[in-house]
Amino acid sequence: DAKTTQPNSMESNEEEPVHLPCNHSTISGTDYIHWYRQLPSQGPEYVIHGLTSNVNNRMASLAIAEDRKSSTLILHRATLRDAAVYYCILRDVVEYGNKLVFGAGTILRVKS
Amino acid sequence: DGGITQSPKYLFRKEGQNVTLSCEQNLNHDAMYWYRQDPGQGLRLIYYSQIVNDFQKGDIAEGYSVSREKKESFPLTVTSAQKNPTAFYLCATSFGQTNTGELFFGEGSRLTVL
Repeated sequence: DAKTTQPNSMESNEEEPVHLPCNHSTISGTDYIHWYRQLPSQGPEYVIHGLTSNVNNRMASLAIAEDRKSSTLILHRATLRDAAVYYCILRDVVEYGNKLVFGAGTILRVKS
Repeated sequence: DGGITQSPKYLFRKEGQNVTLSCEQNLNHDAMYWYRQDPGQGLRLIYYSQIVNDFQKGDIAEGYSVSREKKESFPLTVTSAQKNPTAFYLCATSFGQTNTGELFFGEGSRLTVL
């Protein structure tokens, strides 16, 4: 599985946008970029995923660089409930079974 | 309610004892997974099953065993051979044979070895 690099932690103010970066310089053409988040003592929760084009859903937006070597998860207006660990994961489309490999992720702290 | 049920939520075990963690789902998902999480770490894959009566080892399968006799159930046994079993265990499911869909996670089971 190709590796991702994320900052250990980030801090944001409530009601402001948050940009969470992820580097994946060894990404292959068939790797999808997935984002999950995990609240304390809970299981991870799916946020968004994409391949080449930018993606939007009700939770967030995913901006993918043109060369696909990096991506950014965008929370448009951070709330206290968005404080969590955010994981950026690459998923090979040819590998069956949704086997995801999680790194340490980015701890997002939101200040009121 | 539809979802994934893990039990027990908290479990204490003496060294040398085997313990089985339950994972039940009513989402009609084909694939099921077991992950382990240590404090401050990401998740590591223990075992996964893509279909009933079939399962594969993940990255850290030593000291663990699983079975998949029913689509709804994927129990994990932590055996005495697991050197450091204290951890947070997470069960997950995914629908069908898609490689792009999301994983759904249970609430987790926290195992402490005394």
